[in-house]
Amino acid sequence: ETGVTQSPTHLIKTRGQQVTLRCSSQSGHNTVSWYQQALGQGPQFIFQYYREEENGRGNFPPRFSGLQFPNYSSELNVNALELDDSALYLCASSLALAFGEQFFGPGTRLTVL
Amino acid sequence: DAKTTQPNSMESNEEEPVHLPCNHSTISGTDYIHWYRQLPSQGPEYVIHGLTSNVNNRMASLAIAEDRKSSTLILHRATLRDAAVYYCILRGNTNAGKSTFGDGTTLTVKP
Repeated sequence: ETGVTQSPTHLIKTRGQQVTLRCSSQSGHNTVSWYQQALGQGPQFIFQYYREEENGRGNFPPRFSGLQFPNYSSELNVNALELDDSALYLCASSLALAFGEQFFGPGTRLTVL
Repeated sequence: DAKTTQPNSMESNEEEPVHLPCNHSTISGTDYIHWYRQLPSQGPEYVIHGLTSNVNNRMASLAIAEDRKSSTLILHRATLRDAAVYYCILRGNTNAGKSTFGDGTTLTVKP
């Protein structure tokens, strides 16, 4: 069974640029959630996708957007990067509306200079 | 969203039991209580979850108060590999993928 994978592992961008982060969900999972984790803090929910549609969003501006593809892989896009966007970005897959576990990927470390 | 409150840090000796508390006084009737842990440089890892009754699995036990306003994660014999940040979170049935994390409890295990 393949776990959740994310790419790239690390990324450095400059303020104002755009970035795309990728996630491959665990086999059989049709829900993916994205989280932002600043240093020393817990993960903060960005949004969730179920069957290619966004169905839940946290307190993040519209410049954070996402896509989920038919094979349940997904992308997180961030436009107009700000210094505060520097963080670890985590994706997690789960079965839709299930109350069991979420499977997290190892994350992408984004640094904005 | 319902919030959880955990101590910032706890210490334990190796091979001793550890009780990690969590308060969630605003929990709703349909919220599940989940625990995850995060080792350095890794994504969070599921530990256990429950609704009303106490739960046991190979990793830990979860004791839930009768009024569900608090819970305790129990590691029966702490090992050095259990040193991590432990998060207590609530997941509701209307947005099951969304997990509201606090800042968690940093568990230090001393040999």
